[in-house]
Amino acid sequence: KQEVTQIPAALSVPEGENLVLNCSFTDSAIYNLQWFRQDPGKGLTSLLLIQSSQREQTSGRLNASLDKSSGRSTLYIAASQPGDSATYLCAVRGNFNKFYFGSGTKLNVKP
Amino acid sequence: SAVISQKPSRDICQRGTSLTIQCQVDSQVTMMFWYRQQPGQSLTLIATANQGSEATYESGFVIDKFPISRPNLTFSTLTVSNMSPEDSSIYLCSVEERFGYTFGSGTRLTVV
Repeated sequence: KQEVTQIPAALSVPEGENLVLNCSFTDSAIYNLQWFRQDPGKGLTSLLLIQSSQREQTSGRLNASLDKSSGRSTLYIAASQPGDSATYLCAVRGNFNKFYFGSGTKLNVKP
Repeated sequence: SAVISQKPSRDICQRGTSLTIQCQVDSQVTMMFWYRQQPGQSLTLIATANQGSEATYESGFVIDKFPISRPNLTFSTLTVSNMSPEDSSIYLCSVEERFGYTFGSGTRLTVV
């Protein structure tokens, strides 16, 4: 069974710092990997989707990479802002439309 | 991307009662997914709902506890039946699109 792990579980950084969130998965047979943001008590907002054939995707200050063979993805956030404070979840899509979520990284960006 | 309207956004319910959560999508989708997120946990898939057939439930979830309707390609409901405090969670519906999955805004359920 696919297992998705996110490290660190929590991260607190000063505003303006660049940071990296890590996601690892045990089964490299994935269709895609998606990064989400979740604000407290809210639903999920999709940030980036990386297909299994791709190595990275960029959107604004966000860059996500995928190394399928090693079972790893990173989400890079440049010039962090207090508004980036949220929980970041990665999820991989495997067979039969099953979607496996990590437990998330709770990010706090201090003004 | 699709826009998903999920209702209610939150509710406080008495144990032993049932709550039905609605999910409306602004476009036709083949499959809709229902997830549960218990406090401090990540998301767990409850079931997959296809139009015109019974939902497919994941291990640990049963139809009697979480009946699902899917009357058409834009709408689905999830009922949480005979609730107990352990059912207090955020419930989310989701659809798959070409560019990944889109989620509703979630229903925050508290059972007292």
